[in-house]
Amino acid sequence: KQEVTQIPAALSVPEGENLVLNCSFTDSAIYNLQWFRQDPGKGLTSLLLIQSSQREQTSGRLNASLDKSSGRSTLYIAASQPGDSATYLCAVRPRNAGNMLTFGGGTRLMVKP
Amino acid sequence: DTEVTQTPKHLVMGMTNKKSLKCEQHMGHRAMYWYKQKAKKPPELMFVYSYEKLSINESVPSRFSPECPNSSLLNLHLHALQPEDSALYLCASSPFLWTGESLETQYFGPGTRLLVL
Repeated sequence: KQEVTQIPAALSVPEGENLVLNCSFTDSAIYNLQWFRQDPGKGLTSLLLIQSSQREQTSGRLNASLDKSSGRSTLYIAASQPGDSATYLCAVRPRNAGNMLTFGGGTRLMVKP
Repeated sequence: DTEVTQTPKHLVMGMTNKKSLKCEQHMGHRAMYWYKQKAKKPPELMFVYSYEKLSINESVPSRFSPECPNSSLLNLHLHALQPEDSALYLCASSPFLWTGESLETQYFGPGTRLLVL
């Protein structure tokens, strides 16, 4: 059974820092891996989706990498801003589960001004 | 239209009330999902509909009753809920439930925040 782990569970950084969020998964048989952002009490906003054949995806200050063989993904946030404060969820789409998603526990990020 | 909408945004109900949550999408997706999310936890899958038929029920108590009246609409009927059912309820949709297309994923709505008193 696929398991997804995110480390750290919470992170507090001063504004302007570059930071890395980590996601690991136990089964490399995936279609894709996705990073979501969630503000308190709100829905999930998709940030980046990396297909299993890809190594990374970039959007603005965000860069996500995927190493399928080692079961790891990182989300790199450059020049963090207070507006980046949110929970970041990693989710994989296992190959034996159609369009179902397996979520990690999330990383709660606080960027202090 | 690439949106999943959910109503209401907030709901407060007593343990004897009957209420319904509504989810709608007009992307032509044939799979729709209900999730429950408690604070500081990831979403937990409750139900999955594929082509308007219930495909997956993750052993959810019968006080939650899903309904998919057509391909665009998904309801969650609530009856005799407990305070521990207070949570954010998320709806999602995807083109299909079973697919080998690696670009496909689920699209999430904004959620309904439910408080059971």
